[in-house]
Amino acid sequence: ETGVTQSPTHLIKTRGQQVTLRCSSQSGHNTVSWYQQALGQGPQFIFQYYREEENGRGNFPPRFSGLQFPNYSSELNVNALELDDSALYLCASSLEVGRADIILFGPGTRLTVL
Amino acid sequence: KNQVEQSPQSLIILEGKNCTLQCNYTVSPFSNLRWYKQDTGRGPVSLTIMTFSENTKSNGRYTATLDADTKQSSLHITASQLSDSASYICVVSENNDYKLSFGAGTTVTVRA
Repeated sequence: ETGVTQSPTHLIKTRGQQVTLRCSSQSGHNTVSWYQQALGQGPQFIFQYYREEENGRGNFPPRFSGLQFPNYSSELNVNALELDDSALYLCASSLEVGRADIILFGPGTRLTVL
Repeated sequence: KNQVEQSPQSLIILEGKNCTLQCNYTVSPFSNLRWYKQDTGRGPVSLTIMTFSENTKSNGRYTATLDADTKQSSLHITASQLSDSASYICVVSENNDYKLSFGAGTTVTVRA
């Protein structure tokens, strides 16, 4: 297993800027989900991509957008950054939608907005 | 609104002792329940996953139980080690796995 990798590991931005976070899913996994985890809180679902299409979305504004590529890697883009966007952003990959498979999480990207 | 409540919020135990973490949920329709271990600043790592028909699942010194009737789960850590210090998160899935409801986690600190 190659596991789920994310880049960068840490990032500092200023309010109003844009950021792109990247995720490479576990080999063979075609579904990627993104989560935002504020300090001391559980992860909050942002959205999920299945075979390059958005498959579900949580309660996040449109300035949070994403992409999934043919190799199933994924990007999370956040425009017009706000201070409250400071969090750990987690990417998770899984093999099939709806199956109770092991969902693998990446190590996360720590975003700080100043 | 589907919710997952975990207790206690945090606990401190001595190395070698046992502890039990609780998870209550209101997610419906229920598909499965997972326990994850998350080290500070790292991604969660799966410990156990249980479907509706399973009552208990073990992974080494970790044993999870599930009562789907009362919508309660527990995670028991046996003979704790310093490396068990982490946040333990309960995650409940609706029928579609993309709808994961996360608890806020229980922070466990194991002291020598």
